[in-house]
Amino acid sequence: KAGVTQTPRYLIKTRGQQVTLSCSPISGHRSVSWYQQTPGQGLQFLFEYFSETQRNKGNFPGRFSGRQFSNSRSEMNVSTLELGDSALYLCASSLIRGQANTGELFFGEGSRLTVL
Amino acid sequence: GQQVMQIPQYQHVQEGEDFTTYCNSSTTLSNIQWYKQRPGGHPVFLIQLVKSGEVKKQKRLTFQFGEAKKNSSLHITATQTTDVGTYFCAGLPGVQGGSEKLVFGKGTKLTVNP
Repeated sequence: KAGVTQTPRYLIKTRGQQVTLSCSPISGHRSVSWYQQTPGQGLQFLFEYFSETQRNKGNFPGRFSGRQFSNSRSEMNVSTLELGDSALYLCASSLIRGQANTGELFFGEGSRLTVL
Repeated sequence: GQQVMQIPQYQHVQEGEDFTTYCNSSTTLSNIQWYKQRPGGHPVFLIQLVKSGEVKKQKRLTFQFGEAKKNSSLHITATQTTDVGTYFCAGLPGVQGGSEKLVFGKGTKLTVNP
């Protein structure tokens, strides 16, 4: 079974630009969550999508947005990039039974964004 | 909002020494999960604890969930160089209604001197 796939793995942008990151969850997983990881702040929750609907949102500005498609693939977008947006962006999928998460998150290898 | 505090932030040990990381939540948790992230890698699920007072073992790793379901610990016996990495706890708040999100601690970075 293929794992969580994130693209691109590395990218460099300049301030003011925007970026779109993609995540393909494990087959059968309908929940996709996004996290920002920086050395000082650990794993910061961005948002979670389930069946194309945003179920939860973290404390990030509106420049950070996401969506999920009918095949459960997800994208996140960051507009008007700032230097502080440089981070590893991790996507995680999980299995849902009913409405509840069964627990375990399966992380992708991440997209490392550098903003110059 | 809910916070999960994890200590220590860093731990350096000699190979063969024991290691413990602690996780404390400001609110009661439905369950707690532990993840390990190797240097340059991504977090990998280790275990999930659900019951009050639960203790689970995986070889040299022992995981505990507190009686009040507000704290947890991970203990590694006789560390090896393969244990190097950052260990994260992640708590799911209160009664599970289906839409709660995991809250991660900031992690404990373990280095092991061979």
